[in-house]
Amino acid sequence: SYALTQPPSVSVSPGQTARITCSGEILSKQHAYWYQQKPGQAPTLIIYKDTKRPSGIPERFSGSSSGTTLTLTISGVQAEDEADYYCQSADNSVTYHWVFGGGTRLTVL
Amino acid sequence: QVHLVQSGAEVKKPGSSVKVSCKASGGTFTKVTSYAITWVRQAAGQGLEWMGGIVPIFGSTIYSENFQGRLTITTDELTTTAYMELSGLRPDDTAVYYCARDVSGEMTYWGQGTLVTVSS
Repeated sequence: SYALTQPPSVSVSPGQTARITCSGEILSKQHAYWYQQKPGQAPTLIIYKDTKRPSGIPERFSGSSSGTTLTLTISGVQAEDEADYYCQSADNSVTYHWVFGGGTRLTVL
Repeated sequence: QVHLVQSGAEVKKPGSSVKVSCKASGGTFTKVTSYAITWVRQAAGQGLEWMGGIVPIFGSTIYSENFQGRLTITTDELTTTAYMELSGLRPDDTAVYYCARDVSGEMTYWGQGTLVTVSS
């Protein structure tokens, strides 16, 4: 099975740009997704198919992909963006067989 | 707008089973050709763990090998409800269990989560 690796934590000051990476061999072959999770809440999809943003998600959230690395960029970070962020992709080439990254805690200083 | 409402918290003894429900409203997942229901769990302070899913249009289930033999996912079309049953419970199965509508990996709608506590 494939693994997705994220940094455990990222810290930024308000107004700065946060970048959270997700790396894994499968990312060069399969789409990936990003979720935001705040304490006590279910995850929220914020990026799908590597770069697309669902309706209602602020424009400051963007996704990019290069080879085996995915990047979630949050421009002009706000205090409310402090949360855990998870990437997700296929565990292999089998449909509906998924894996999550370990998660990254974003701290807004 | 799809809503997924899960059943309430459970406290179980080691070795027993738990069955968590996930009722969809605002659309039936069996009428939409590309919808599946995926189950994800999260232990306290830990990350998200994919458990498995059911794909109604294929009539099939897919399970993580981490749960093979212990996990059963089913659906009831009449009540638009999905179920996740985990047997042989252990203390390390204590977690919040989520259901999510899954469109080829895109999980837009999630249930509120169900806390399952396994303790003697």
